[in-house]
Amino acid sequence: DIQMTQSPSTLSASVGDRVTITCRASQSIDSWLAWYQQKPGKAPQLLIYKASTLESGVPSRFSGSGSGTEFTLTISSLQPDDFATYYCQHYNTPPVTFGQGTKVEI
Amino acid sequence: EVQLVESGGGLVQPGESLRLSCAASGFTFRTYDMHWVRQATGKGLEWVSGIGTAGDTYYPGSVKGRFTISRENAKNSLYLQMNILRAGDTAVYYCARGRGYCSSTNCRNWFDSWGQGTLVTVSS
Repeated sequence: DIQMTQSPSTLSASVGDRVTITCRASQSIDSWLAWYQQKPGKAPQLLIYKASTLESGVPSRFSGSGSGTEFTLTISSLQPDDFATYYCQHYNTPPVTFGQGTKVEI
Repeated sequence: EVQLVESGGGLVQPGESLRLSCAASGFTFRTYDMHWVRQATGKGLEWVSGIGTAGDTYYPGSVKGRFTISRENAKNSLYLQMNILRAGDTAVYYCARGRGYCSSTNCRNWFDSWGQGTLVTVSS
């Protein structure tokens, strides 16, 4: 199985900060990567797929990049609504696996 | 509006069975791959199973042979039959709609819509 490792596990930031989260795959997954946001008690919400394609309706301050084994999620200017946990997910081949999550907190 | 509503969760003892359901609306159910993803309290996300539009099924090793995913397109419904449940299966189970493609040889899906989840607790 492909292992996904996110860093950092927790990130302290302020409104207006530029935030970057890294996701590394244990083997190449081309661009078969998605990012999700999850708030406490809620289901995850899709932000980005195919490493860099923004899902419809997601604010443009979110962006994704990378290919192969290293990927990043960037929030260009952190907003109050962005404090949440973020997960990466590969979908190169079953079983799909998720990173352990990155909690963005104040 | 896409809606996915899970049901069927509850408290069961180790070794018992449970069947989860997911009622879909707001989209053409038969044209989408569908999945179950679970999350233990305070933990990360774990994909549990997937089913393509043609009925091909996919499982991780942790549940293969114990869990069975199925779909009933006429009822816009997705199911997860869970047998020989263990304490480690305790989690919120989400139904999720897949985008991408699933074939007989591979399944490349990301998940664009999720239900609110149903809690399964396995405990004696």
